[in-house]
Amino acid sequence: EIVMTQSPATLSVSPGERATLSCRASQSITNKLAWFQQKPGQGPRLLIYGASTRATGIPARFSGSGSGTEFTLTISSLQSEDFAVYYCQQYDNWPRGTFGGGTKVEIK
Amino acid sequence: EVQLEQSGAEVKKPGATVKISCKVSGYIFTNYYLHWVQQAPGKGLEWMGVVDPENGETKYAENFQGRVTITADTSTERAYLELSSLRSEDTAVYYCATYSVYCTTTNCHHALDKWGQGTLVTVSS
Repeated sequence: EIVMTQSPATLSVSPGERATLSCRASQSITNKLAWFQQKPGQGPRLLIYGASTRATGIPARFSGSGSGTEFTLTISSLQSEDFAVYYCQQYDNWPRGTFGGGTKVEIK
Repeated sequence: EVQLEQSGAEVKKPGATVKISCKVSGYIFTNYYLHWVQQAPGKGLEWMGVVDPENGETKYAENFQGRVTITADTSTERAYLELSSLRSEDTAVYYCATYSVYCTTTNCHHALDKWGQGTLVTVSS
């Protein structure tokens, strides 16, 4: 089973600052990686697939990078609505898919 | 418009079995796998398993193997998640989800971009 590890668990950032979130796979998943955002009381929302392609309607301040085992989600200038929990998910062994433990982005 | 409508909240006793449903609309049910994801209170997302509605084939996560059964009924366009031998740790919101396929010249990506509203299952004596 492919294990996904996210860091840090919590990230404290001021509005307008950049946030950088990391996700590591236990083995190479090429670029078969998605990022999701989840706000309290809501379901997950797809942000990024293919490690770097924004989903429909996702603002350009969200960007993804990486391949193989190391991936990054960057939010260039945090807006108030971006404070949430973010999850990565691998789908290299589709239709299986495993999620990382999540990173909570909170207001500093 | 694609919609995934899940059944309502359940309260079960330890040792019992729960079965929740996910009614799909707006797309051809048999064309896309249907996934189930667990989220315990204050915890992260955990992929549980998937069903291919076209032929009923399933795959399950190791953590749930033996206790979970996922099925699909093409006549009603519903997928079901059944979890047995319930324990307190199974208290969670359960989501169904499906995906879109995005292909480049080199490979295809399956992105879970359609989610149900979630079903809360509470296990309590």
